[in-house]
Amino acid sequence: NAGVTQTPKFRILKIGQSMTLQCTQDMNHNYMYWYRQDPGMGLKLIYYSVGAGITDKGEVPNGYNVSRSTTEDFPLRLELAAPSQTSVYFCASILRLAGGMETQYFGPGTRLLVL
Amino acid sequence: TQLLEQSPQFLSIQEGENLTVYCNSSSVFSSLQWYRQEPGEGPVLLVTVVTGGEVKKLKRLTFQFGDARKDSSLHITAAQPGDTGLYLCAGRTIEYSGAGSYQLTFGKGTKLSVIP
Repeated sequence: NAGVTQTPKFRILKIGQSMTLQCTQDMNHNYMYWYRQDPGMGLKLIYYSVGAGITDKGEVPNGYNVSRSTTEDFPLRLELAAPSQTSVYFCASILRLAGGMETQYFGPGTRLLVL
Repeated sequence: TQLLEQSPQFLSIQEGENLTVYCNSSSVFSSLQWYRQEPGEGPVLLVTVVTGGEVKKLKRLTFQFGDARKDSSLHITAAQPGDTGLYLCAGRTIEYSGAGSYQLTFGKGTKLSVIP
């Protein structure tokens, strides 16, 4: 298994441009998440999905959109890039086990710079 | 919004020393996870604790979940340079919204440097 893969690894955008951050997992996990990580701020949840066709907002959804047409893919869309969206973006999927145990697998991240 | 506070924010120690980092909240979590993140990479799960008072050991790392499930600690014995990284704690709250969704709340992390 490749686990969680993200593309691109790094991107520079101009203000007002749009782009899609790709995320794919091959572990057949239902739960998938998008986080952003700013220096010294930990990880903030942007959007999440509990299965194909179901998405919901996290803590910081403004300026982003997601879709989940398949179990494997969970792309994150930025429509009008702003400097405040400069960050490192992580996609993750979760394997839930019995007894409340779970394992969250993170992708390697996409570093985005908006100028 | 649930808040997880981690302390200290930064820690620099010599190889062979012991250390403890803390994760505290005023909220109750159904489970709590610890991650280690190295520069340029995503976080990697170290452990999940689910029962109040639970203690788990992973080689030289000892994790404890508070009795009230509001706090946790990570103790490292005889730290090594390979332990260097950002340690994140994350608490799980369960919010049901029809779809049975749930979210993890992350702390800001403790940046550990172990000097050879």
